[in-house]
Amino acid sequence: GDSVTQMEGPVTLSEEAFLTINCTYTATGYPSLFWYVQYPGEGLQLLLKATKADDKGSNKGFEATYRKETTSFHLEKGSVQVSDSAVYFCALSDYGGSQGNLIFGKGTKLSVKP
Amino acid sequence: KAGVTQTPRYLIKTRGQQVTLSCSPISGHRSVSWYQQTPGQGLQFLFEYFSETQRNKGNFPGRFSGRQFSNSRSEMNVSTLELGDSALYLCASSSLPGTGNTGELFFGEGSRLTVL
Repeated sequence: GDSVTQMEGPVTLSEEAFLTINCTYTATGYPSLFWYVQYPGEGLQLLLKATKADDKGSNKGFEATYRKETTSFHLEKGSVQVSDSAVYFCALSDYGGSQGNLIFGKGTKLSVKP
Repeated sequence: KAGVTQTPRYLIKTRGQQVTLSCSPISGHRSVSWYQQTPGQGLQFLFEYFSETQRNKGNFPGRFSGRQFSNSRSEMNVSTLELGDSALYLCASSSLPGTGNTGELFFGEGSRLTVL
């Protein structure tokens, strides 16, 4: 079945460092891909999305490109801030699938130190 | 536009009790999904409802049940609570494919259940 694999955390960075969180997926069709972020004590918020190959999603300085050839959707940010500390989830759409409409990776916890 | 609203935000129960959690989706959204989030298992899909019908169900025991009302509000119930049911329960709403939806889910802040 469809699945999402993302790098294990936690990831600890200093402020203004470059961030990459790797995400790869397995899917039989052509899913949409998402990055969600969860701040402490809150639900999940959509960070960015891409709906077809070579699309680049971007928001709040974060970017991810839908790479069909490598089945990847890595999250990047050029200069992280303390306020970016959160858990990041990669996900793909699976309409009507038995795992729900979105299949999530395990999450990567990011801690940014001042 | 109001977001997804979940109540209660926090609750404490003891083993053997039952609990009901409520979710009000974004206005116009007719699909509601429920997820359980724990540190060990991550996000696990519970079930999804559309137009008062359960469309999909995850791999959870029958103690976990849900329903959806005609106004799209949804409830989930867990009976005979176990310690392992302690988790953050997240509700999410969406419109369905064919309406311009790309599969995105909109999440509430969750209901944190502690079972003692």
